[in-house]
Amino acid sequence: EVQLVESGGALIQPGGSLRLSCAASGFTFSDYWMHWVRHTPGKGLMWVSRINSDGSSTNYADSVQGRFSVSRDNVKKTVYLQMNTLRVEDTAVYYCVRGCTTTNCSPFDYWGQGALVTVSS
Amino acid sequence: DIQMTQSPSSLSASIGDRVTITCRASQTISNYLNWFHLKPGKAPKPLMYAASRLHSGVPSRFSGSESGTDFTLTISSLQPEDFGTYYCQQSYISPFTFGPGTKVHIK
Repeated sequence: EVQLVESGGALIQPGGSLRLSCAASGFTFSDYWMHWVRHTPGKGLMWVSRINSDGSSTNYADSVQGRFSVSRDNVKKTVYLQMNTLRVEDTAVYYCVRGCTTTNCSPFDYWGQGALVTVSS
Repeated sequence: DIQMTQSPSSLSASIGDRVTITCRASQTISNYLNWFHLKPGKAPKPLMYAASRLHSGVPSRFSGSESGTDFTLTISSLQPEDFGTYYCQQSYISPFTFGPGTKVHIK
């Protein structure tokens, strides 16, 4: 069974830093691109970042470019989202989401349970 | 960036009704269009990818179609568990933008 389990969500002050982790199981993690997506009740869903299967390529939404950094450890089967210079508008539930492989693509097919990040003074 | 729009922004329908939600991309995205269903307090549920392909376990009352840059999600017979917000998303090119959502209420 595919499972994605996020951790690291917290209440953090504006300007602070936080690292989210997502532990994967039930599939060949090193074959898959992985994404981070966030949800706020007022703004809906927003794609945040993507990392390719070996970690050599990453992409970011404009609003987080330069502040967030995605990485992965294929031995630990874990993907990370390092969030720096956090803003109030980064408050959201952050989801880890499975992407595609080079040969098979039914994108965004598995989602974690989400990690709540609250940025407030 | 590719902009995604959805219409309507909300709708109210009765059990058994046929419901249609439209999503439009600001430029060509081929068929790289995904649909998701979100209920309060739960993770988004993936419904469809490649515009019309159902994810495993998704009921057959859900279907999708495309015409150029216009995409449609249809629920053939609305069920009580179908309330919530539906989002489209393009996965053609980064950033993989979502539409603003369509909220479905059950009458």
